[in-house]
Amino acid sequence: DQQVKQNSPSLSVQEGRISILNCDYTNSMFDYFLWYKKYPAEGPTFLISISSIKDKNEDGRFTVFLNKSAKHLSLHIVPSQPGDSAVYFCAANQGAQKLVFGQGTRLTINP
Amino acid sequence: DTAVSQTPKYLVTQMGNDKSIKCEQNLGHDTMYWYKQDSKKFLKIMFSYNNKELIINETVPNRFSPKSPDKAHLNLHINSLELGDSAVYFCASSQMAGGYNEQFFGPGTRLTVL
Repeated sequence: DQQVKQNSPSLSVQEGRISILNCDYTNSMFDYFLWYKKYPAEGPTFLISISSIKDKNEDGRFTVFLNKSAKHLSLHIVPSQPGDSAVYFCAANQGAQKLVFGQGTRLTINP
Repeated sequence: DTAVSQTPKYLVTQMGNDKSIKCEQNLGHDTMYWYKQDSKKFLKIMFSYNNKELIINETVPNRFSPKSPDKAHLNLHINSLELGDSAVYFCASSQMAGGYNEQFFGPGTRLTVL
């Protein structure tokens, strides 16, 4: 039973445009959400997070939106750059520092 | 200046063997983790240690035994390796200090069991 789902395995976006990555969750007890970025042969690196008491968090070109009623969050990257090409994982915090990850979305930025 | 390091990066071995993966973090964090990324690419937590004490132990076969000699190290020993153990194993660390702190991951160890 996958509690965090990223239903798009891949996404292709033109350089300079907006990339929108989506994530859905089922457990209403999740109270903190994170996005990680992963390059091949490397470990995931933290990108941005949001607490369940907020609906938006922004950091430079990255913005995460949380819709608690829909149990949905999204990551917006604007403008998209070639270096953004990577696999993006959504994760949810389930107490005691336990993170539950989605299966990832591979983002490709085309020049 | 690696924050979370794992050795080895690649490990190829035969079924039935026993192997260990080592993890070290130099971030001064008090909590360390082991994750398994299977063929479907899901990252699933296996274990978590806080100050050398086991705090999370997911449903993992007891052939897997984590060992934390100090809070900067968390090693994973696997006995009687099986084909299904083939995966990428990631170590991570964080500072648990009451807040929701992000975890820092190592580069992963790709284990292939033949």
